[in-house]
Amino acid sequence: KAGVTQTPRYLIKTRGQQVTLSCSPISGHRSVSWYQQTPGQGLQFLFEYFSETQRNKGNFPGRFSGRQFSNSRSEMNVSTLELGDSALYLCASSWEADTQYFGPGTRLTVL
Amino acid sequence: AQKITQTQPGMFVQEKEAVTLDCTYDTSDPSYGLFWYKQPSSGEMIFLIYQGSYDQQNATEGRYSLNFQKARKSANLVISASQLGDSAMYFCAMRELGGTSYGKLTFGQGTILTVHP
Repeated sequence: KAGVTQTPRYLIKTRGQQVTLSCSPISGHRSVSWYQQTPGQGLQFLFEYFSETQRNKGNFPGRFSGRQFSNSRSEMNVSTLELGDSALYLCASSWEADTQYFGPGTRLTVL
Repeated sequence: AQKITQTQPGMFVQEKEAVTLDCTYDTSDPSYGLFWYKQPSSGEMIFLIYQGSYDQQNATEGRYSLNFQKARKSANLVISASQLGDSAMYFCAMRELGGTSYGKLTFGQGTILTVHP
């Protein structure tokens, strides 16, 4: 069974731009969660989608948004990028409330 | 609020020796799950082992075992017979299963493990 895939793997943007990251979960998994990892703040929960509905959201500004499609693939969008948004963005999938399996991450650099 | 504490920023171990990585947690939810993940320098988080709050026995997965002491709210990871490939960052994480904590894992700050030949 294929694992979680994330595209792109690396991204360089400038302040003020917007970015869209994509995540394809393990086949059959209905839940997709997103996390931001930075050296200063560690791993922080962004949001979780289940059957196209956002069920939970972390403490991030409205510039961070996401969605999930009927095939469970998910995207997250960050608008008006700031330098502090530079991070590794990790996506994880699970069937329901069980073990989350992570993708390789998207490393975003904001210049 | 749920919280995970990993007090060891870095640990060193000799190849083939066992090592214990500490993790304590805090939650008011009686139903929760505890996880350990490994993150090599490549960045991908690799699931290692899971312990449910109602599990009577400590979880084991190959060379990994979880020393679960519920009364002390600790969930230490034990790696037996360390290998050079075990060198990585290790994260303890918790997921509350009640309430509305859907899909949210709370992570500790991590422990960097270095295995010496």
